[in-house]
Amino acid sequence: EVQLVESGGGLVQPGGSLRLSCAASGFTFSNFEMHWVRQVPGKGLEWVSTIDTIGDPYSPGSVKGRFTISRENAKNSLYLQMNNLRVGDTAVYYCARGMSGSYYYYMDVWGKGTTVTVSS
Amino acid sequence: DIQMTQSPSSVSASVGDRVTITCRASQDISSWLAWYQQKPGKAPKLLIYAESSLQSGVPSRFSGSGSGTDFTLTISSLQPEDFATYYCQQANSFPITFGQGTRLEIK
Repeated sequence: EVQLVESGGGLVQPGGSLRLSCAASGFTFSNFEMHWVRQVPGKGLEWVSTIDTIGDPYSPGSVKGRFTISRENAKNSLYLQMNNLRVGDTAVYYCARGMSGSYYYYMDVWGKGTTVTVSS
Repeated sequence: DIQMTQSPSSVSASVGDRVTITCRASQDISSWLAWYQQKPGKAPKLLIYAESSLQSGVPSRFSGSGSGTDFTLTISSLQPEDFATYYCQQANSFPITFGQGTRLEIK
């Protein structure tokens, strides 16, 4: 069964750091681009980061310089290192798989999400 | 950045109704568009990609159309399990952007 399981969420103070992990199973992880998407409770979806199969990262300006996406293919794992966290980063963070080939911007498998709360 | 605007923000409908949700991109994205369904407390689910391609396992009552800047998601005959929030997403370029969502409620 294709599966993604996020972990590492929790409560952190503003300015603090957190590292999210996503464990993949049921598919050849190294062959797929991977994404992080977040959702503030009651709000819409926001793309956070993408990493391609050769390890090149992409992220929007809102998190660039603070969040770093990485992958460890030998461990079938995706990571999101989040530094200098802000109250506005409070959200559920989802790990998602990009579809194969040129369709990798589309996200066909999602984890259940992990909750990050930034508060003093 | 490409802005995605959905309409309506919410819609009420009954089981068996035909429903159409619209998504407009701020610039031409060809057919690089996806639709997702999300139920409360759950992760989004991919319904349609590349504007009109049905994801495996998704019922055929869901269909997508459009190109360029204007797109629609149509549910031909609403079923009880279809009441959820729907999001469009452009896949033309980074940064990936989503519409604000359309909440489909039971009338």
